[in-house]
Amino acid sequence: GAVVSQHPSWVICKSGTSVKIECRSLDFQATTMFWYRQFPKQSLMLMATSNEGSKATYEQGVEKDKFLINHASLTLSTLTVTSAHPEDSSFYICSARDPRGAGDNQPQHFGDGTRLSIL
Amino acid sequence: AQSVTQPDIHITVSEGASLELRCNYSYGATPYLFWYVQSPGQGLQLLLKYFSGDTLVQGIKGFEAEFKRSQSSFNLRKPSVHWSDAAEYFCAVGARYGGATNKLIFGTGTLLAVQP
Repeated sequence: GAVVSQHPSWVICKSGTSVKIECRSLDFQATTMFWYRQFPKQSLMLMATSNEGSKATYEQGVEKDKFLINHASLTLSTLTVTSAHPEDSSFYICSARDPRGAGDNQPQHFGDGTRLSIL
Repeated sequence: AQSVTQPDIHITVSEGASLELRCNYSYGATPYLFWYVQSPGQGLQLLLKYFSGDTLVQGIKGFEAEFKRSQSSFNLRKPSVHWSDAAEYFCAVGARYGGATNKLIFGTGTLLAVQP
């Protein structure tokens, strides 16, 4: 079964509103989560690394004030798209690094993604 | 800089035929390498990964991949494709950080279609 839950799976909203997407690790504590964006028929682009209890690390070119990330607990990270506009429409996917493996064996488990459509 | 190239954007194979999806990477050290599969509108499922050791790795659903350092490749193979294998496949390289996989760099993906 799924080990990472992402909610909502699909959201449609008006331009100018803010949208929050949740990413939960279901059966492990994730100090590190990742947020990706995927454009149609393209690959995943890492937006930011979410660190529990500290500020997120954003990739070059990603607007921090536009994409707010909060990782307030060991099982939950949220991505808020602020003042969303049509160009923000995309498929957003989170992942959580599973710390239960020893050494290098700490895979990332992915959520099922959120399709965001801004009208 | 780290990068991943998947030369084939789209591949069509007949059900029962063998499959090989190509992946080439650029990385300054020994990489962590992954293959993921994505069904339409869904997240990614890990098929297999290479960290070290045996260069031929076995994954789920009958997939395997071979790490060839001399060719900077990590091609995915399956001896007999099933219709349910139709999906998009992503190769990724992971940057090592603090002993754990951190940032993943994905290829552009290969869309697999399976003919009956």
